[in-house]
Amino acid sequence: QPVLTQPPSSSASPGESARLTCTLPSDINVGSYNIYWYQQKPGSPPRYLLYYYSDSDKGQGSGVPSRFSGSKDASANTGILLISGLQSEDEADYYCMIWPSNAWVFGGGTKLTVL
Amino acid sequence: EVQLVESGGGLVQPGGSLRLSCAASGFTFSSYAMHWVRQAPGKGLEYVSAISSNGGSTYYANSVKGRFTISRDNSKNTLYLQMGSLRAEDMAVYYCASGTPGAFDIWGQGTMVTVSS
Repeated sequence: QPVLTQPPSSSASPGESARLTCTLPSDINVGSYNIYWYQQKPGSPPRYLLYYYSDSDKGQGSGVPSRFSGSKDASANTGILLISGLQSEDEADYYCMIWPSNAWVFGGGTKLTVL
Repeated sequence: EVQLVESGGGLVQPGGSLRLSCAASGFTFSSYAMHWVRQAPGKGLEYVSAISSNGGSTYYANSVKGRFTISRDNSKNTLYLQMGSLRAEDMAVYYCASGTPGAFDIWGQGTMVTVSS
């Protein structure tokens, strides 16, 4: 299965924006895939946040604030989760996920610290 | 209330077997594919297995293929994961999940499987 690369950690201050990345291997074109994002807090199951394919094909999870949004950087073959107006409650692990062939694949996760 | 509740986890010796269950309520269980995702202590999420809504199609990660069997009983709104030949690396919290493809918006709280002698 392909490896989705996420930075192990990221940090930002309350009110700022956090940009979390999910880099696909070079043999998988990010433009061809839905990128799904999940949030997980300690001791809790993952929570579905959103998916992003394009600006005209995206979806927000139920109850997920619009502060969470997705995008892609085709030049870097990367999916992006942008969290604006950071709040302390956003401190969590974030995972990306795609369906490259016959199975779902998770990235390694990024631990976001809200300073 | 939409809910998934896992059970069946516990301590098992290497080489042993365990059956996990996931009881669903509050939604039309038989209409959705179901999934098992695990998380080893301090590690990330790993997609383990899936079964189609009618049970006709299944998927297994290479790490569990040949040792785990996923099944479901739509009359009981219950998903199962039969785990055999358990190894230390199978030790994890096992979550069942459902939702539309990719958008797994229903998760159980997880059940811990400990493999140790």
